[in-house]
Amino acid sequence: DAKTTQPTSMDCAEGRAANLPCNHSTISGNEYVYWYRQIHSQGPQYIIHGLKNNETNEMASLIITEDRKSSTLILPHATLRDTAVYYCIVRVARGATNKLIFGTGTLLAVQP
Amino acid sequence: DVKVTQSSRYLVKRTGEKVFLECVQDMDHENMFWYRQDPGLGLRLIYFSYDVKMKEKGDIPEGYSVSREKKERFSLILESASTNQTSMYLCASSWGRGDEQYFGPGTRLTVT
Repeated sequence: DAKTTQPTSMDCAEGRAANLPCNHSTISGNEYVYWYRQIHSQGPQYIIHGLKNNETNEMASLIITEDRKSSTLILPHATLRDTAVYYCIVRVARGATNKLIFGTGTLLAVQP
Repeated sequence: DVKVTQSSRYLVKRTGEKVFLECVQDMDHENMFWYRQDPGLGLRLIYFSYDVKMKEKGDIPEGYSVSREKKERFSLILESASTNQTSMYLCASSWGRGDEQYFGPGTRLTVT
């Protein structure tokens, strides 16, 4: 799985959009971008994933650049409950690899 | 919504005890996983199962065993608990290999 780089921490005001960047310059053509988050003392939570088109679900939007070397997770209206560590992972979907490898992630702190 | 439940949120056991951690998922997922999460070490895969009665070792299986007698239930067994097994234990499930994984709330195990 390709390596990802994320900022260590970010702040966001409550009610504003939170934009979390991720660099994955060595991504391969068959690798997807996945996002998970982990609220303190809880299990990780799957958010969204995509290959090359932008994706949106009830939790977030995922914007992937045309060259696929970076992506941005957008939480459109951040709330205090969105304070968590956000992990960007690049991996082959439906491939042989099963385990998830989390990097250090981005600690998003939503401020009131 | 996918629901993955774990039998306990917090558990305290003594060295040498046999410990059972239970995990149940309600989405008919084929794959189930056990990870442990420790500060600075991220998620580490202990065992996973891709079918009933089937199991495969992950990266750190020593000191652990697993059981999957029914599709919805995956148990992690610490044969003789030791202090270095004090950790957060996370169960996850997914439809197929490489698909997004859904996690339980975690069990924080302390071995004294």
